Amino acid sequence: ETGVTQSPTHLIKTRGQQVTLRCSSQSGHNTVSWYQQALGQGPQFIFQYYREEENGRGNFPPRFSGLQFPNYSSELNVNALELDDSALYLCASSSGQDDTNEKLFFGSGTQLSVL
Amino acid sequence: QKEVEQNSGPLSVPEGAIASLNCTYSDRGSQSFFWYRQYSGKSPELIMSIYSNGDKEDGRFTAQLNKASQYVSLLIRDSQPSDSATYLCAVADDKIIFGKGTRLHILP
Repeated sequence: ETGVTQSPTHLIKTRGQQVTLRCSSQSGHNTVSWYQQALGQGPQFIFQYYREEENGRGNFPPRFSGLQFPNYSSELNVNALELDDSALYLCASSSGQDDTNEKLFFGSGTQLSVL
Repeated sequence: QKEVEQNSGPLSVPEGAIASLNCTYSDRGSQSFFWYRQYSGKSPELIMSIYSNGDKEDGRFTAQLNKASQYVSLLIRDSQPSDSATYLCAVADDKIIFGKGTRLHILP
């Protein structure tokens, strides 16, 4: 167990809907990263939050947005869902900013299916 | 576009043998390198990190880094059926980028 919790574990939505995924980081960690993992692929970086500010973004459209709260928990919001958004969404916490020695501790993920 | 390349496999290795997993990366400025293990239906779990050229050993696992060749490898000695999983290579620069992973199957 990493101490990183995600909810919900599974979610089914229809195309065009909006979804919010939640993540609680490990105690003592102030950085949260979100990844999308399609079946048979590696995790793709969506964005990272450090102390409530976005701190880096991958190649995802603006309909993917996020928040980090004062307790360092985080949300990932996806608007106007598309079929290709179906994937495992992983949250990972880590202990600091701009530290290239960072180690990620993953939650168990949210499996999103878009019909 | 920074990339991390891995052979997708599957790589089949007899129980007790050495499994060798390889990874190349495109960004010469990368400083930190990681191997994650992911069982089917589970999230990735960090098993090794390496930051300087050479070998780093931890139990049955050895990570090898060659920055000049932009090459990282993971050796698993005395392979066990429980080692059957997908192994993800990850490289850190301003963010951590993952390869697609190599599926490893240990044959009993």
